[in-house]
Amino acid sequence: LAKTTQPISMDSYEGQEVNITCSHNNIATNDYITWYQQFPSQGPRFIIQGYKTKVTNEVASLFIPADRKSSTLSLPRVSLSDTAVYYCLVGSADRGSTLGRLYFGRGTQLTVWP
Amino acid sequence: GAGVSQSPSNKVTEKGKDVELRCDPISGHTALYWYRQSLGQGLEFLIYFQGNSAPDKSGLPSDRFSAERTGGSVSTLTIQRTQQEDSAVYLCASSSPGQAMNTEAFFGQGTRLTVV
Repeated sequence: LAKTTQPISMDSYEGQEVNITCSHNNIATNDYITWYQQFPSQGPRFIIQGYKTKVTNEVASLFIPADRKSSTLSLPRVSLSDTAVYYCLVGSADRGSTLGRLYFGRGTQLTVWP
Repeated sequence: GAGVSQSPSNKVTEKGKDVELRCDPISGHTALYWYRQSLGQGLEFLIYFQGNSAPDKSGLPSDRFSAERTGGSVSTLTIQRTQQEDSAVYLCASSSPGQAMNTEAFFGQGTRLTVV
């Protein structure tokens, strides 16, 4: 399983763009990169997933370089409500396989200040 | 409901007692995961089910922990002879890996277990 490394914490102010980078040097060919968000007293919530290049949805963008050894979650114009823990996961769940796994690390605590 | 349901939401038990935690996954989801989260910590993987089988039990911390899943649906996590260090939030998630590479999981609200 590919191990991920991300900063323990980050601070930002409202309205700024936040970029959280995750390292995954041992990513496998079949692995996708997925980010989750967790608010206090809640279970994690899926934000975005990608395989290569760039993925964008209504919440965030995910940038993945050609070597796929890292990825960057970009949150545009954060607000106070974006204060949460963000987890980077690397893995795959092939059709018919019993090897689907999701391993979370400690994540990045993002604190947005007014 | 449409989401993952866990019960009870809170459980206080005495040290040495057994507890059962229940997870109702989203209908049709074949994959089910149990995690443990201690205060201020990340998610600790416990066990993964594909259907009723548990191909990965590597995260169960001791033989006091066991889990089963029946009918490819409901799962129960059992902790025997609870200890104070078992106090944590126990989270369940389900996903439908029918699509290749799909690793989006949906989490329940968790069961907060306190061992006194």
